[in-house]
Amino acid sequence: AQRVTQPEKLLSVFKGAPVELKCNYSYSGSPELFWYVQYSRQRLQLLLRHISRESIKGFTADLNKGETSFHLKKPFAQEEDSAMYYCALQNTGTASKLTFGTGTRLQVTL
Amino acid sequence: DTGVSQDPRHKITKRGQNVTFRCDPISEHNRLYWYRQTLGQGPEFLTYFQNEAQLEKSRLLSDRFSAERPKGSFSTLEIQRTEQGDSAMYLCASSPGTGGKNIQYFGAGTRLSVL
Repeated sequence: AQRVTQPEKLLSVFKGAPVELKCNYSYSGSPELFWYVQYSRQRLQLLLRHISRESIKGFTADLNKGETSFHLKKPFAQEEDSAMYYCALQNTGTASKLTFGTGTRLQVTL
Repeated sequence: DTGVSQDPRHKITKRGQNVTFRCDPISEHNRLYWYRQTLGQGPEFLTYFQNEAQLEKSRLLSDRFSAERPKGSFSTLEIQRTEQGDSAMYLCASSPGTGGKNIQYFGAGTRLSVL
């Protein structure tokens, strides 16, 4: 069975501080991993996916298969980064359904 | 707005009533998904359509739940004899296809409250 674990419900950091949102997964196949973000009163939207290896809004995430992790990082937090962040794993079956973690609320304060 | 559209945004109903939600996917997306999200949890997969065919259903989808996508475009999710435990946000997502094009785009959701 596939599982995604986000150990922190809330992460509070000061503006300009580094951010790391943790995500660990359990999956028997070759995973495809995503970070989705939900800003206040907005819909869930894709932030980044591991295969694209992009930096979006200053965020990066590296897939570490040895540690089964896909942590989201940003060197300098901004106020506008405050949101709910969900790590998700997509299975390689026909449906390609997503399995989400419980989410981490990032709060960036001045 | 050319994104995924869901209607209604909010639904309040009494226990035992039937409710139906609608999802309009992004045009030409042949894959459509329904998820359910309860407080403090991430979205959980309910069911999946490839065009008009419902190809997978989660064990979360009891026999009181039925979903359709009659012409491979919009989809409906019906809950019969609602229970308080059905209170949740129901999310719809669509995607264009497999492989690198299978990014799922989400609607704003329908929030169901069963009194």
